[in-house]
Amino acid sequence: DQQVKQNSPSLSVQEGRISILNCDYTNSMFDYFLWYKKYPAEGPTFLISISSIKDKNEDGRFTVFLNKSAKHLSLHIVPSQPGDSAVYFCTPERHTGTASKLTFGTGTRLQVTL
Amino acid sequence: DAGVIQSPRHEVTEMGQEVTLRCKPISGHDYLFWYRQTMMRGLELLIYFNNNVPIDDSGMPEDRFSAKMPNASFSTLKIQPSEPRDSAVYFCASTLGGTNQPQHFGDGTRLSIL
Repeated sequence: DQQVKQNSPSLSVQEGRISILNCDYTNSMFDYFLWYKKYPAEGPTFLISISSIKDKNEDGRFTVFLNKSAKHLSLHIVPSQPGDSAVYFCTPERHTGTASKLTFGTGTRLQVTL
Repeated sequence: DAGVIQSPRHEVTEMGQEVTLRCKPISGHDYLFWYRQTMMRGLELLIYFNNNVPIDDSGMPEDRFSAKMPNASFSTLKIQPSEPRDSAVYFCASTLGGTNQPQHFGDGTRLSIL
């Protein structure tokens, strides 16, 4: 029972261009959505999040857009840099008053080329 | 500040042997999570603890897997007996409780069962 789907397993973008990573979800009860980035041989690291009551959150080169009616969110990276090459995971969170279980999938592998 | 520390980084052992993976969470974090990453299933949650107490072990694949947290600074994930299909990267993560608190991951243990 996948609660989130990242339908593009991989994405290749030229340096300097915009990278757009997409995520669809099924449960409208989520409170937050978190994006993690993972390099090979390292653990995932938190990148950016968005509250379900917002439709946009921006942090430097990274912007998350949330479309609640479509149950869709996207991560925009602009301009893309070679160091952004990694696997990106979209994880929903439902606040239950305690730490939440995160549901990771297989992610989207971003390759930023020179 | 030290992050989440996992040991060993790599483990190669023969089928049927007992395997013990170790994790030291970030000091002050009261939640600890164990994940497994495989090519087919991505990153999946196995079990998590709150204040050293197991809260949800529904992701533990079978009775051969067990996890303990004897104190706030140490946790183990044990597989006995190990099988080749247990080969994966195992991650430990910790976090403070509450909404939108990112999990902090260790660099994982790459386990190969021959």
